[in-house]
Amino acid sequence: GAGVSQSPSNKVTEKGKDVELRCDPISGHTALYWYRQSLGQGLEFLIYFQGNSAPDKSGLPSDRFSAERTGGSVSTLTIQRTQQEDSAVYLCASSPGRGGGETQYFGPGTRLLVL
Amino acid sequence: KNQVEQSPQSLIILEGKNCTLQCNYTVSPFSNLRWYKQDTGRGPVSLTIMTFSENTKSNGRYTATLDADTKQSSLHITASQLSDSASYICVVSAYSNYQLIWGAGTKLIIKP
Repeated sequence: GAGVSQSPSNKVTEKGKDVELRCDPISGHTALYWYRQSLGQGLEFLIYFQGNSAPDKSGLPSDRFSAERTGGSVSTLTIQRTQQEDSAVYLCASSPGRGGGETQYFGPGTRLLVL
Repeated sequence: KNQVEQSPQSLIILEGKNCTLQCNYTVSPFSNLRWYKQDTGRGPVSLTIMTFSENTKSNGRYTATLDADTKQSSLHITASQLSDSASYICVVSAYSNYQLIWGAGTKLIIKP
């Protein structure tokens, strides 16, 4: 596709439910990032995938958060037993994967609201 | 601790006026610094990138400066337009580190 796409665009869920957020990166990009952005705050790094290497999960806030990337393309971020503090915009970005600090291309985000 | 601080937190100016946004960082070792523009409800879009040896970089009406000695950067917007209303985020990359350190952004509102 022309850009990074994410789905759903909005998600409202009840506390304690599990949610899955999807990211389709730009075709050919080997690097994929997940971020979380709370209202009025900067982006918070969650997880990074690069090719077939083991992902860097150092930013995941708790073991309720997990992510996978199938076939080096589509990625899914799963939040189990959601809490109200999980409410935020979850942004996915991809980059060509040729080196550190390269431009990341962002999707529109998924706005998650936990009631 | 690697940090990026931006000021002001928010800014309102009239259409056609110029403005300057500030970014101070403590990231080390430094690799590059970017300015992103984030429209409401959209993901960030890269405006400029500067490495250690670059002092200034322009992209249309946007001009970014970098002082690596004082660890400060600025983004100057000339002849502002209504479409410039957005959050402007300063992002610093540490050398050989793909994890970017993001500032909280400056929310810019352009009024007609």
